[in-house]
Amino acid sequence: EAAVTQSPRNKVTVTGGNVTLSCRQTNSHNYMYWYRQDTGHGLRLIHYSYGAGNLQIGDVPDGYKATRTTQEDFFLLLELASPSQTSLYFCASREGSDYTFGSGTRLLVI
Amino acid sequence: AQSVTQPDARVTVSEGASLQLRCKYSYSGTPYLFWYVQYPRQGLQLLLKYYSGDPVVQGVNGFEAEFSKSNSSFHLRKASVHWSDSAVYFCVLSSNTNKVVFGTGTRLQVLP
Repeated sequence: EAAVTQSPRNKVTVTGGNVTLSCRQTNSHNYMYWYRQDTGHGLRLIHYSYGAGNLQIGDVPDGYKATRTTQEDFFLLLELASPSQTSLYFCASREGSDYTFGSGTRLLVI
Repeated sequence: AQSVTQPDARVTVSEGASLQLRCKYSYSGTPYLFWYVQYPRQGLQLLLKYYSGDPVVQGVNGFEAEFSKSNSSFHLRKASVHWSDSAVYFCVLSSNTNKVVFGTGTRLQVLP
């Protein structure tokens, strides 16, 4: 069954800290996405990629980097975490119009 | 510009009652529309989708949605809700680009 797996499930870091969120898909989908979910905003697109080595900027990219190392793996990097980045992060893969979402990573920056 | 509006942040209904969750979209072209559900501590799961054809589309677990081009709407309905339907529901618009636009979500609480 197609799947998107995110790790860690929960993460706490301090302001200024360095955080990497991981996402792996077994769907062989070309497109992968990172979203953040905040109350009152729905899901907002941070970065996305259409293949290994490719990176596209989303709608709320400030403070985030991303890297697509393989077809399967897409990482979100927060190099200087700030409290405003406290959120629930979702990774997704896409083929055609069908999206598969991971279960999310809850990040707390204190 | 594309946008999706879910005007009701929270909806509370009693078990067995009918349900309508509202969604309005703004897009000049032909929209692809989706409803996703998010159960607690889980990712988003697809309920149903609309591309073209019959404006009433059937989804999982007895949900359906009706597309209206004249009203720019894609409301979600269910004839009789169950307590397990309590979740957050997202209306989503895709314009056949590589990105989609999410509504802000409607939190549904079903009272026993």
